[in-house]
Amino acid sequence: EVQLVESGGGLVKPGGSLRLSCAASGFTFSSYSMNWVRQAPGKGLEWVSSISSSSSYIYYADSVKGRFTISRDNAKNSLYLQMNSLRAEDTAVYYCASGNGDYDYWGQGTLVTVSS
Amino acid sequence: EIVLTQSPATLSLSPGERATLSCRASQSVSSYLAWYQQKPGQAPRLLIYDASNRATGIPARFSGSGSGTDFTLTISSLEPEDFAVYYCQQRSNWPPEITFGQGTRLEIK
Repeated sequence: EVQLVESGGGLVKPGGSLRLSCAASGFTFSSYSMNWVRQAPGKGLEWVSSISSSSSYIYYADSVKGRFTISRDNAKNSLYLQMNSLRAEDTAVYYCASGNGDYDYWGQGTLVTVSS
Repeated sequence: EIVLTQSPATLSLSPGERATLSCRASQSVSSYLAWYQQKPGQAPRLLIYDASNRATGIPARFSGSGSGTDFTLTISSLEPEDFAVYYCQQRSNWPPEITFGQGTRLEIK
């Protein structure tokens, strides 16, 4: 069974940093592109960042470019999102999802709240 | 940026009825369109990819159609568990752009 489990969310002050993790199991993690998608409270879905299977290709939404860094460790079956210079508008549930353009498996999400 | 506009915003129907949800793109996305279902407190679930292909384990009552700029998700006969929010998503110019529609809430009448 495919499982994606996010962790690392919490309350952080504006300008602060947070690192999210996503632990994967049940599939060959090293063969799949991975992604972060977020959802602000009561709002729709927003793509945040993607990384190819070997980390050769990395992409970011304009809204997070220069502040967020995606990475992965295939030996640990893990995906990460380093979030710096956080803003109130970054408040959201952050999901990790597998796939290249279409997202076939999702984690349950981790809530990031940016507030003073 | 390709903008996806979903209609209606809210659809009120009864179990057993047919649901038709629309997604319109601001420019052609070919057939690179997916549909997701999201229930309260849950992650989205992929229903349809490449406009008309059902994802693994998705019941046959869900079908997708369209190409270019106009797409439709049809649920042939609503089951109680189908009441949720539905999002379309395009990957036409991926990389680097992925965009989602704003969602259609399907509620019980």
